[in-house]
Amino acid sequence: AQSVSQHNHHVILSEAASLELGCNYSYGGTVNLFWYVQYPGQHLQLLLKYFSGDPLVKGIKGFEAEFIKSKFSFNLRKPSVQWSDTAEYFCAVNAPTSGTYKYIFGTGTRLKVLA
Amino acid sequence: EAQVTQNPRYLITVTGKKLTVTCSQNMNHEYMSWYRQDPGLGLRQIYYSMNVEVTDKGDVPEGYKVSRKEKRNFPLILESPSPNQTSLYFCASSNIWGYEQYFGPGTRLTVT
Repeated sequence: AQSVSQHNHHVILSEAASLELGCNYSYGGTVNLFWYVQYPGQHLQLLLKYFSGDPLVKGIKGFEAEFIKSKFSFNLRKPSVQWSDTAEYFCAVNAPTSGTYKYIFGTGTRLKVLA
Repeated sequence: EAQVTQNPRYLITVTGKKLTVTCSQNMNHEYMSWYRQDPGLGLRQIYYSMNVEVTDKGDVPEGYKVSRKEKRNFPLILESPSPNQTSLYFCASSNIWGYEQYFGPGTRLTVT
């Protein structure tokens, strides 16, 4: 069965620090990959997505992610975080060739940015 | 404005009392889905629907029912709620399966 692992459950950074959040998935075939953000008290919003092509994708608010097929990874990065980036971040995957029509989410990473 | 709406936003109920959480989208999306969010467990998919009258189980379907009689609506039904269904529920939709999903604001359910 497909699964998604986010190894960092809680991350605390100071403003201007660099961010990298890990995401690994288990499916060996074609995948679509997503990062969503959930600000306190709000619903999930899409940060970025990868379907095919350039493995380095850029999203909103200065976030980017790199798809490394050989490592089954899709890590999220931001060069310099701001206090307003305090939120929970979810990695998600679906697998078009798997025969199922589910989306699988990771357990999330809570990011706290100190001003 | 393109959006997914859910009602109610907050609900406190008692064990065994049937309830329905409504979900509606105005984007003519084919795919709709329900998730529950629990601390430390992330989002887990309950049910999804590929289109009208086409629904299937997600990873945690026990204790829930859904229906998709119209394209825009996808209600979640708890026939006999139990305390372990206390959670934050999100409805989501996407143009077609595989694409990015748009999420509703969430429904916080407490079952006592």
